[in-house]
Amino acid sequence: DAGVTQSPTHLIKTRGQHVTLRCSPISGHKSVSWYQQVLGQGPQFIFQYYEKEERGRGNFPDRFSARQFPNYSSELNVNALLLGDSALYLCASSLEYMGQGAAGYTFGSGTRLTVV
Amino acid sequence: QKEVEQNSGPLSVPEGAIASLNCTYSDRGSQSFFWYRQYSGKSPELIMFIYSNGDKEDGRFTAQLNKASQYVSLLIRDSQPSDSATYLCAVRGGQNFVFGPGTRLSVLP
Repeated sequence: DAGVTQSPTHLIKTRGQHVTLRCSPISGHKSVSWYQQVLGQGPQFIFQYYEKEERGRGNFPDRFSARQFPNYSSELNVNALLLGDSALYLCASSLEYMGQGAAGYTFGSGTRLTVV
Repeated sequence: QKEVEQNSGPLSVPEGAIASLNCTYSDRGSQSFFWYRQYSGKSPELIMFIYSNGDKEDGRFTAQLNKASQYVSLLIRDSQPSDSATYLCAVRGGQNFVFGPGTRLSVLP
């Protein structure tokens, strides 16, 4: 049974460019959350989607946007990339809203974004 | 701003010893608490969760929760070199699921 899959695994972009990261949750999971993890720090919450609606947004600028599709997969978009956007972007899926239930969140392997 | 704090470490323990990892949180309304392990360059994986005050044991791992003190800990008994990783405390309350900065654990052979 496939876990949370993210693509691409690695990405190098130039400042000012746009990037789209993709995530497919575990089959049956309706909640997808996005986190940014800068080296040496814990994951920082960006967005949560549940049943295709945005249910939470972290303290990130409007350059960050996301959406969830009818099949519950999700995209994270970042416009006008800055050097400081270089990080590991993690997608987490859960069966229920806000990772409720014993399982909490299951994370994908992440997308390593480097902005040069 | 809801905060979760951890000692960044590194925490070094000899093989076979008990490793004790601590976490404090600011939101008294927090409902559930999770410990994730993250190996270098990998994504976090769930080790344990705890909802109620007291201890919860799972194999070599014990999670301890004290809501009055807003404190949660993770004990790892008989530590192994393979336990060397960063341990992330995560707290859920209301609309938030917040991670701490993580504690880096090094188990020395």
